[in-house]
Amino acid sequence: DAKTTQPNSMESNEEEPVHLPCNHSTISGTDYIHWYRQLPSQGPEYVIHGLTSNVNNRMASLAIAEDRKSSTLILHRATLRDAAVYYCILRDGDAGNMLTFGGGTRLMVKP
Amino acid sequence: NAGVMQNPRHLVRRRGQEARLRCSPVKGHSHVYWYRQLPEEGLKFMVYLQKENIIDESGMPKERFSAEFPKEGPSILRIQQVVRGDSAAYFCASSPPGKVGQSYGYTFGSGTRLTVV
Repeated sequence: DAKTTQPNSMESNEEEPVHLPCNHSTISGTDYIHWYRQLPSQGPEYVIHGLTSNVNNRMASLAIAEDRKSSTLILHRATLRDAAVYYCILRDGDAGNMLTFGGGTRLMVKP
Repeated sequence: NAGVMQNPRHLVRRRGQEARLRCSPVKGHSHVYWYRQLPEEGLKFMVYLQKENIIDESGMPKERFSAEFPKEGPSILRIQQVVRGDSAAYFCASSPPGKVGQSYGYTFGSGTRLTVV
């Protein structure tokens, strides 16, 4: 899987939007952009994924740059329960199926 | 719909004993993955299995560790002669079979926390 770069940590205020960036300048044409999060003492949780177009689901939105070299996970209204480590992962749709986790971004939400 | 079920949630073993970790994937999912997370570290891939086959075990230590996913029953991660360095959280994930060119989210279990004393 191609490499991604994320900030180590970010802070947000409760009930405000949060934009979590991810750079993936070496992304290939068949790489999907996946986001997972891991709450304290829990297993990772799937958040969203996309290929080229922006995606929305009940948890978040994924904005993908036109050149696909970066993407942003958007939490529209952060809650204290959104405090977690967020992982941006590239996964080749044509190759083997495992996910390779990097360091992620630790999101802290202040009340 | 039940998610990925892992048991036990917590497992304590003495050095030299065997640890068996079980994972029941989401119904209909035929792909299982095991990951290990050492204290204060990231998730590391261990092994990828499909029913009765090991597809990729590139992250599995060469000795003492083995995994299986039989035709019937859960996937098992087995650690023989455990040592203190095996203390970690072990997570299992499952995914449905997919076509080349597609991508899909994984469902993770809550993990088994192994403590070797």
